Order: sequence, then structure tokens, then C-alpha cells
Amino acid sequence: AQSVTQLGSHVSVSEGALVLLRCNYSSSVPPYLFWYVQYPNQGLQLLLKYTSAATLVKGINGFEAEFKKSETSFHLTKPSAHMSDAAEYFCAVRGSGSARQLTFGSGTQLTVLP
Amino acid sequence: EAGVAQSPRYKIIEKRQSVAFWCNPISGHATLYWYQQILGQGPKLLIQFQNNGVVDDSQLPKDRFSAERLKGVDSTLKIQPAKLEDSAVYLCASSFDLAYEQYFGPGTRLTVT
Repeated sequence: AQSVTQLGSHVSVSEGALVLLRCNYSSSVPPYLFWYVQYPNQGLQLLLKYTSAATLVKGINGFEAEFKKSETSFHLTKPSAHMSDAAEYFCAVRGSGSARQLTFGSGTQLTVLP
Repeated sequence: EAGVAQSPRYKIIEKRQSVAFWCNPISGHATLYWYQQILGQGPKLLIQFQNNGVVDDSQLPKDRFSAERLKGVDSTLKIQPAKLEDSAVYLCASSFDLAYEQYFGPGTRLTVT
């Protein structure tokens, strides 16, 4: 069975600083990995996804993530934080069964300080 | 393109009462998902439909939860009777087909007192 672990339930950065949100996965097959963002009182929005092509994946709003098989990691980064990046971020892995369901991590709340 | 619609957005009920949530997926999307998101946790899949058939309901507490997707479009999730631990946000998502990107609705926040 697949699973993801997000290290750090809360991360605070200053505006303009590097954003680094950590995600480690466990999968018995080559994984499909995703990062979603959730703003208050809204549903989840896909930021980016890894589907076994390039290991460095670029997403929306300047975010990117690097798939590292040796470290079983898929960390999310952004060079310069903006106030509008404050939200909750979820890492997810897609199952290999016929249903292709997503399993989400517990989330990381990102706070951006002025 | 209209997104996934859900109603109501908020609901407060007492324990042992019943409640129903409604979801209208994006037009043309064959796959529909219901997730439960408890405060401080990631979404957990409750049930997944492919058209009007159930693909996965392994995590649905079937003694109190039920869901249907008549005619392969709209879906309803029901809880009867509700427990305090059912307090959560219930998210509906849809995708064009299995393994395609999921689009999420805004959710229904349920509070059970």
C-alpha cells in the first residue's frame, strides 16, 4: 500500500524567503505523486504532479518539486514566498490498483510573515 | 467551465440526527469521489464512483454512511445517525476518468453537537 508522510505540520517563512515543504512517500511500485494547495474554505487545487517523466516538476504559482527515488522524497519548493502563498499544502500518492485512488498526507500549514 | 458544486456549505446537527450532502460534478466527468477531511488531517477517500457504479467504498462506514450516484451525474452522501466524530469537511471531487486529474468542490463543513 502507498503512503506519504509530510514532515512539519506548520511552517513559517518570511515574505521573499525560500519555501520548502517536505514529503516522503512509501510505494511498492513507481509512484505517481502530487502536491495540492487548499486555501481557507475552499477545495483542493492541484499544484503539480510527478508521473515518471522529468524528476524536476514545475507547477503553478512558481512552485516546483523534485522527485528523488534514493531518498523517497518529493519536496515542494518556491524560491521566494509571497503573502498569497499562505495556505495548507498536501502531498498525495496515487494507488496502483484499478481504482487509482489518492492517499493524502496530513498537510502542512504555511504561514508567510511580512 | 463550471467547477464541482456542493451544497450545503455548512451544516450543524445534533448527534443521532441524519444529514445529506449533494454534489454536482463537472459536466462529462465519469469519476466522482467523496472524501472526509477531519480537522488537522488530509482528505480520506470514502467512496469512488465510475459513472453510476461503485469502484471503491472500502473506507466508507457502511453502518451509518451511504452514497448514491443516480444516472451517473449528481451524487448524494448521507449519514444516519450522525456521531460526534463525523464532524469534518466533506469534499466531493470529479475527474474525466480514472487516473485523470481530480477537481475538488469547496466542501461541506459538518458540525455534530
